[in-house]
Amino acid sequence: GENVEQHPSTLSVQEGDSAVIKCTYSDSASNYFPWYKQELGKGPQLIIDIRSNVGEKKDQRIAVTLNKTAKHFSLHITETQPEDSAVYFCAASRGGGADGLTFGKGTHLIIQP
Amino acid sequence: DSGVTQTPKHLITATGQRVTLRCSPRSGDLSVYWYQQSLDQGLQFLIQYYNGEERAKGNILERFSAQQFPDLHSELNLSSLELGDSALYFCASSVVGGLEQFFGPGTRLTVL
Repeated sequence: GENVEQHPSTLSVQEGDSAVIKCTYSDSASNYFPWYKQELGKGPQLIIDIRSNVGEKKDQRIAVTLNKTAKHFSLHITETQPEDSAVYFCAASRGGGADGLTFGKGTHLIIQP
Repeated sequence: DSGVTQTPKHLITATGQRVTLRCSPRSGDLSVYWYQQSLDQGLQFLIQYYNGEERAKGNILERFSAQQFPDLHSELNLSSLELGDSALYFCASSVVGGLEQFFGPGTRLTVL
């Protein structure tokens, strides 16, 4: 089955700086890669996703890049703000509407004021 | 607020017992997914239902079962509970043919 590795497990950055979280996947048939943000006591919130026919996607301060050949994808957050502090999860699936998500172990992002 | 609702928020029970967790998907979503989140295993996919039928199965134990009703709400039944079943249980839903999954607030299960 699919295996998703996520690094780092903890990331501390100064407010205003950029943060990058990286994930690798093992199943070459995976073609959908979402990123979720989870705040304490809440469910995961979808923040951005990318499909395998696209190399990069951007939404305001967040962007995701995908390298299918190397089987890795990354989340980039620019101009970090205190409200960006949370746990971020990457995930992968084969899509097709009949597949659960395989998640990475998560990255605890800490924004230092 | 994702539009997915889960009840109850918290559940405390004893080993050997059986519990039922409930999920209502977003309006119009036909697919419901169940996930378990624990410190040691992380977020794991359990099972998916689509319009009342089981669609995909993940790491779901035989002691666990689920169903989706005609009004599209879903229930996850956990029986012969063990200490290791203590976790957060999330439900997610998606539109027909959609890839995006939207998660509910979860049910925290504590088995004593």
